[in-house]
Amino acid sequence: AQSVTQPDIHITVSEGASLELRCNYSYGATPYLFWYVQSPGQGLQLLLKYFSGDTLVQGIKGFEAEFKRSQSSFNLRKPSVHWSDAAEYFCAVVSRGNTGKLIFGQGTTLQVKP
Amino acid sequence: NAGVTQTPKFQVLKTGQSMTLQCAQDMNHEYMSWYRQDPGMGLRLIHYSVGAGITDQGEVPNGYNVSRSTTEDFPLRLLSAAPSQTSVYFCASSSLGLRAFFGQGTRLTVV
Repeated sequence: AQSVTQPDIHITVSEGASLELRCNYSYGATPYLFWYVQSPGQGLQLLLKYFSGDTLVQGIKGFEAEFKRSQSSFNLRKPSVHWSDAAEYFCAVVSRGNTGKLIFGQGTTLQVKP
Repeated sequence: NAGVTQTPKFQVLKTGQSMTLQCAQDMNHEYMSWYRQDPGMGLRLIHYSVGAGITDQGEVPNGYNVSRSTTEDFPLRLLSAAPSQTSVYFCASSSLGLRAFFGQGTRLTVV
């Protein structure tokens, strides 16, 4: 069955430290991959996406993600976290054969310590 | 440009009542979707549509109905509300699924 897994429910990092949020997917073929962020009480905002080509993709707010086909992963990274990055982060995938069906992982809540 | 507009923002229902959550988009997007968000479960897809007159079930469709008579609107109907449907509901639209735009959500409580 198709699925998206974010193994870390909650992560705490110090401001200025680096960040990596994990995402693994299980699909028959490489899907389209996305990371969204949700600030408290807000809707969702797209951080970045991967369709094809360069496996390291750059997004907004200084985020990047790396697609690794061999590991079925699409991990999100940021070199130096700011307090304003505290939010919930969602990995999402959509099958190339049915792009209407966007499926989300369970989400990772990021807490930033001063 | 309003984007994706959901109404109402808050709603309290009694068990067994029916209601419709409204969603409208002004971006001429073909695709529209409904999600529910529950703590620890992320966003789960309820129903989606790839065009007017075309709908399909998502991961958790039971208890919900949808229709898509126009490109702009995609209402979600709860025919007989249950406490298990207490959740935050998000509507989204996209062009060919390549980037989704989300509404601000509807917080529904069923008592």
